[in-house]
Amino acid sequence: DADVTQTPRNRITKTGKRIMLECSQTKGHDRMYWYRQDPGLGLRLIYYSFDVKDINKGEISDGYSVSRQAQAKFSLSLESAIPNQTALYFCATSDGGLAGGLAGELFFGEGSRLTVL
Amino acid sequence: AQSVAQPEDQVNVAEGNPLTVKCTYSVSGNPYLFWYVQYPNRGLQFLLKYITGDNLVKGSYGFEAEFNKSQTSFHLKKPSALVSDSALYFCAVRDRGSGNTGKLIFGQGTTLQVKP
Repeated sequence: DADVTQTPRNRITKTGKRIMLECSQTKGHDRMYWYRQDPGLGLRLIYYSFDVKDINKGEISDGYSVSRQAQAKFSLSLESAIPNQTALYFCATSDGGLAGGLAGELFFGEGSRLTVL
Repeated sequence: AQSVAQPEDQVNVAEGNPLTVKCTYSVSGNPYLFWYVQYPNRGLQFLLKYITGDNLVKGSYGFEAEFNKSQTSFHLKKPSALVSDSALYFCAVRDRGSGNTGKLIFGQGTTLQVKP
């Protein structure tokens, strides 16, 4: 089984619908992240969480919300989906690592491809 | 503000030849630098990172990268490319001086195409 699991892997929805993408991990990491990938733009950070009670906005949080239900679970919601939220979404985790966690690499899920019509 | 640039959208190389994928960065302090690879329909996989010490960092699958502080670069290299190396490669940077909440910033990615 994958260490970082995302569901669903693919989703097609309509404008205005509420969508939730779920992420669970078995790596025992405290830190979890949601990124969005668009062609030619690389990955952009939506939200991140360093523990269950710590949620932070990333570069592009508008239109998104998150919930950290447990150490191992971090979900991303689109309250009212719009077409420009069509993208590939990645969940990632990281350990504290050296130097207070800044040196730790990320471990990614397989991605959730979302299409908003 | 920190940023990462990968100047080439695509790099083409023949199998067996050396490859280089370029990355330059900008941070206010000293950087932590990373390379990730993404195969089709897969998530990103960590290849290597520079934290401190030796400027030449060795990573997975025979890849290495050289940290050059004066040129603010962290180019990914491999002495002999394989067709199976064909993938999308991302460089990423985190500012060492950004405290414990420093975010990882990704470049836009470079597609590596290795032809037989």
